[in-house]
Amino acid sequence: AQSVAQPEDQVNVAEGNPLTVKCTYSVSGNPYLFWYVQYPNRGLQFLLKYITGDNLVKGSYGFEAEFNKSQTSFHLKKPSALVSDSALYFCAVRESAGYSTLTFGKGTMLLVSP
Amino acid sequence: EAEVAQSPRYKITEKSQAVAFWCDPISGHATLYWYRQILGQGPELLVQFQDESVVDDSQLPKDRFSAERLKGVDSTLKIQPAELGDSAMYLCASSSHMNTEAFFGQGTRLTVV
Repeated sequence: AQSVAQPEDQVNVAEGNPLTVKCTYSVSGNPYLFWYVQYPNRGLQFLLKYITGDNLVKGSYGFEAEFNKSQTSFHLKKPSALVSDSALYFCAVRESAGYSTLTFGKGTMLLVSP
Repeated sequence: EAEVAQSPRYKITEKSQAVAFWCDPISGHATLYWYRQILGQGPELLVQFQDESVVDDSQLPKDRFSAERLKGVDSTLKIQPAELGDSAMYLCASSSHMNTEAFFGQGTRLTVV
């Protein structure tokens, strides 16, 4: 069965500093990987995805993520955090073959202080 | 910009009553998902449709939950009877292909009293 682990319940960072939100995954085949952000009482908003190709993918609002196959990781990064980046972030994975399900991690709350 | 539409946004219902949620995916999206999200947790898949066919409903509590996607377009998720533990956010999402991102609706916040 596929799974996603987000080891940190909360990440705190000062505005202007770089941020990293960690994600590791487990699938039996090749993964498709996604990051989403959620604001209070709202649905999930897509940030970026890795399907194939370059291991460093760039997404919305200055976010990027690096796919590391040997470490089965897909960490979300941003060079300079904004207070408005404070939200709940979810990593998700699906297997590339067949009609596999999209499995989410439990989420990491990012708090950016002024 | 195309969006996934869900209604209602909020629903309060009494225990043992029936409740239904509606979802209209982005036009042309063959895959439709219903997720349940308990406060502070990640979304958990309830059911996944490919066109009008169910491809995964292994986590759907079938004694009280049902889902349908007639004609492969919009979908309805029903709970009967509702229990206190069903209080959660119910999210609908759709995607065009398996290697593309899923787009989420705003969700329905269900409170069972």
